[in-house]
Amino acid sequence: EIVLTQSPGTLSLSPGERATLSCRASQSVSSSYLAWYQQKPGQASRLLIYGASSRAIGIPDRFSGSGSGTDFTLTIDRLEPEDFAVYYCQQYGSSPQTFGQGTKVEIK
Amino acid sequence: QVQLQESGPGLVKPSETLSLTCTVSGGSVSFYYWSWIRQPPGKGLECIGYIHYSGSTNYTPSLKSRVTMSVDTSKNQLSLKLNSVTAADTAVYYCARSRSGWDYFEYWGQGTLVTVSS
Repeated sequence: EIVLTQSPGTLSLSPGERATLSCRASQSVSSSYLAWYQQKPGQASRLLIYGASSRAIGIPDRFSGSGSGTDFTLTIDRLEPEDFAVYYCQQYGSSPQTFGQGTKVEIK
Repeated sequence: QVQLQESGPGLVKPSETLSLTCTVSGGSVSFYYWSWIRQPPGKGLECIGYIHYSGSTNYTPSLKSRVTMSVDTSKNQLSLKLNSVTAADTAVYYCARSRSGWDYFEYWGQGTLVTVSS
């Protein structure tokens, strides 16, 4: 199975700063079938990005995804207070679909 | 707005069966795939498997012998049963919707914690 490694584990930033989150795959992710989610305690996880770079419906354009093959990035421009959360990547190109272990973006 | 809500016992005894329901509102269970995903405390997310509204299923190999998923289109609900549970099955359990079996998840429930303990 494809192992996804997210880095860093925790990112301490201030509102208004840019967050850059990495997701590295142990094998090439087929057709860039890579998604990103935001998770907050007690709330439903929210799909941010699919297909490595396509924003889901209703997602602000400060969220962007990039990458291909084994290296993918989620960038959050100008962090808003509501953006502090845990972010997961998921690959769905190979069975079984797998998730990274998450990156926590916390307020500095 | 589509909403998913998991429900079920928060405590299950070892060797017994874990049973959860996912109620879908704001949309129909028809024409979609529905997955169950779990996250043990302090660990990563694991896909348990998925069910199509037609009833076809696909379970992750490591849990296949213990898992049963079903869908009730009349109630707009999904269900998960996991038998012979152990402490290793303690986790937050989520239901989620996708457009195909192996796909990204458009909607998630907020999850429900199930603890396996005597």
